[in-house]
Amino acid sequence: NAGVTQTPKFRVLKTGQSMTLLCAQDMNHEYMYWYRQDPGMGLRLIHYSVGEGTTAKGEVPDGYNVSRLKKQNFLLGLESAAPSQTSVYFCASRVDRTHLYGYTFGSGTRLTVV
Amino acid sequence: DQQVKQNSPSLSVQEGRISILNCDYTNSMFDYFLWYKKYPAEGPTFLISISSIKDKNEDGRFTVFLNKSAKHLSLHIVPSQPGDSAVYFCAASAYNNDMRFGAGTRLTVKP
Repeated sequence: NAGVTQTPKFRVLKTGQSMTLLCAQDMNHEYMYWYRQDPGMGLRLIHYSVGEGTTAKGEVPDGYNVSRLKKQNFLLGLESAAPSQTSVYFCASRVDRTHLYGYTFGSGTRLTVV
Repeated sequence: DQQVKQNSPSLSVQEGRISILNCDYTNSMFDYFLWYKKYPAEGPTFLISISSIKDKNEDGRFTVFLNKSAKHLSLHIVPSQPGDSAVYFCAASAYNNDMRFGAGTRLTVKP
């Protein structure tokens, strides 16, 4: 039972380059999320999806795009990377409408933009 | 605006003693509150939650207390074990899918 899998685990980008982070979950969860974690800031929501084909903006969406073409996959794209996007990115999913049972998180992608 | 605040970046306790982690929030619309535990190089792991209709929820060594009038919640770990050493995140959400996290508290349990 893999849960939530994120690829890649590490990446170094040059300013202006683009990349896509992949999140895959095998739990048939409807809801999926992308967060970034920065020192002293906790986790901040970038974008989320409440089901296949849907996406919505979170707290810090600027500079990112997302797609949810298949229920099990949630992609996060950086079209033109900036040093301010250096962060650890976490994908998460949950099964039901309430938050009582929390999210299942992936192990993260550490991205450095130079 | 930081709607969920953990004002203590770190906490150190002796093995066997109680660990108390605190969290304050500002949004009165929050109706679920959660604690997550995070080890280095891993994603956060859900630990325990409480809905706003309760003031206490217990799961083994972990108890979460909610004081709605003070907009404050706390996580008690009794007894603390070295394996509990991790970063603990407080989180809160309203019914509209948006969960907010605090900055985290690093707990160190000394043998």
